[in-house]
Amino acid sequence: QVQLQESGPGLVKPSETLSLTCSVSGGSISTYHWNWIRQPPGKGLEWIGHIFSSGSTTYNPSLRSRVTISVYTSKNQFSLKLSSVTAADTAVYYCARQVAFGDDFDIWGQGTLVTVSS
Amino acid sequence: DIQMTQSPSSLSASVGDRVTITCRASQGIRNDLGWYQQKPGKAPKRLIYAAFSLQSEVPSRFSGSRSGTEFTLTISSLQPEDFAIYYCLQHNSYPRTFGQGTKVEIK
Repeated sequence: QVQLQESGPGLVKPSETLSLTCSVSGGSISTYHWNWIRQPPGKGLEWIGHIFSSGSTTYNPSLRSRVTISVYTSKNQFSLKLSSVTAADTAVYYCARQVAFGDDFDIWGQGTLVTVSS
Repeated sequence: DIQMTQSPSSLSASVGDRVTITCRASQGIRNDLGWYQQKPGKAPKRLIYAAFSLQSEVPSRFSGSRSGTEFTLTISSLQPEDFAIYYCLQHNSYPRTFGQGTKVEIK
């Protein structure tokens, strides 16, 4: 079955760029939509953005100026870049699959904790 | 943005109890709502999609319903493995938005 795995640095300095990759195994990244969601420690879930396998994106307006999501179909991966991070960006970051444009998230990665600290 | 107001924020219940959790959308979202369960240190797991449909391999004690813009997750007979945090998610429009979560604790 399809599995998602997040990877990337667990510690990022303030003002730098957070970079994460989500690797998709057990199925193709093509024809699906892919999302990033985050959860600050002890808090709720926040949707960051979405990319279709063609490369079209939709971002949360609250983060749009700092977010870039890209897809690499040959590698079966997609990525998240969040610039100018602060302590408020400390969170567990999840990637998740969305079957169609209007759907919710059926498969999630296990999540990766990113701490913003000097 | 569509606001999802989830209640209660927490509840205490005993094994065997019937539990209901509600999410109210700030505007109409048709049936574009999912329910998720999250256990400590784990990713959310989808229980219900399209407001009513049970995710495969999810026990039938979980069910979803809708009345207008109010959505309800019901656990008919709470089991020990059901103690967790539950979230609703609207996927009618972007940005996707979650409810604040309901923590179900053991009484």
